[in-house]
Amino acid sequence: AQTVTQSQPEMSVQEAETVTLSCTYDTSESDYYLFWYKQPPSRQMILVIRQEAYKQQNATENRFSVNFQKAAKSFSLKISDSQLGDAAMYFCAYRSSNAGGTSYGKLTFGQGTILTVHP
Amino acid sequence: EAGVTQFPSHSVIEKGQTVTLRCDPISGHDNLYWYRRVMGKEIKFLLHFVKESKQDESGMPNNRFLAERTGGTYSTLKVQPAELEDSGVYFCASSQFRDRFYSGNTIYFGEGSWLTVV
Repeated sequence: AQTVTQSQPEMSVQEAETVTLSCTYDTSESDYYLFWYKQPPSRQMILVIRQEAYKQQNATENRFSVNFQKAAKSFSLKISDSQLGDAAMYFCAYRSSNAGGTSYGKLTFGQGTILTVHP
Repeated sequence: EAGVTQFPSHSVIEKGQTVTLRCDPISGHDNLYWYRRVMGKEIKFLLHFVKESKQDESGMPNNRFLAERTGGTYSTLKVQPAELEDSGVYFCASSQFRDRFYSGNTIYFGEGSWLTVV
């Protein structure tokens, strides 16, 4: 079974600074997807960024980028130019490609990291 | 376009009572998922519907939990009888269905239903 670990329960950053959230995972599969989701207080959980394991290039979405190290099974999220609206709980998640299998819809989540942004 | 909506947003019930949570997925999304997060733990998968059929219910904790998706539209998750350890946040999510060989579609989550069992 796959596991996802976020070792930082809480992180803080000053507005306009850069912060990196860590995520490691364990799997025996070679093809899979990795995601970072963000849940602001009392709001919906939304997808921040996704990475396909077969792609060597790190995904980037505006101020959000990942450092995907497949051999090390590491998938960190870097937030540049942090804004107050970035404050949220961030979840790292894994999804098997599992083509044709029954569990293709299942996400495995880490424990979450609470990010505080100071003005 | 409306997102995934869940009702109620908060519920407090006594041990032994019944609670029914409802989820309306994004229109046109055949995939519907239920997840939950109990206090201090990670979010865990409960089950996955494709239209009205249960694709994967490997995460359902026990037979006190019953999920239905009549007509392949909205879904309900009933907990009967509720126990203290059922307290937590129940998330519903949905995604488009392309085919069963494609798992790259984005999963959209609702705000969650907070359940407290006292």
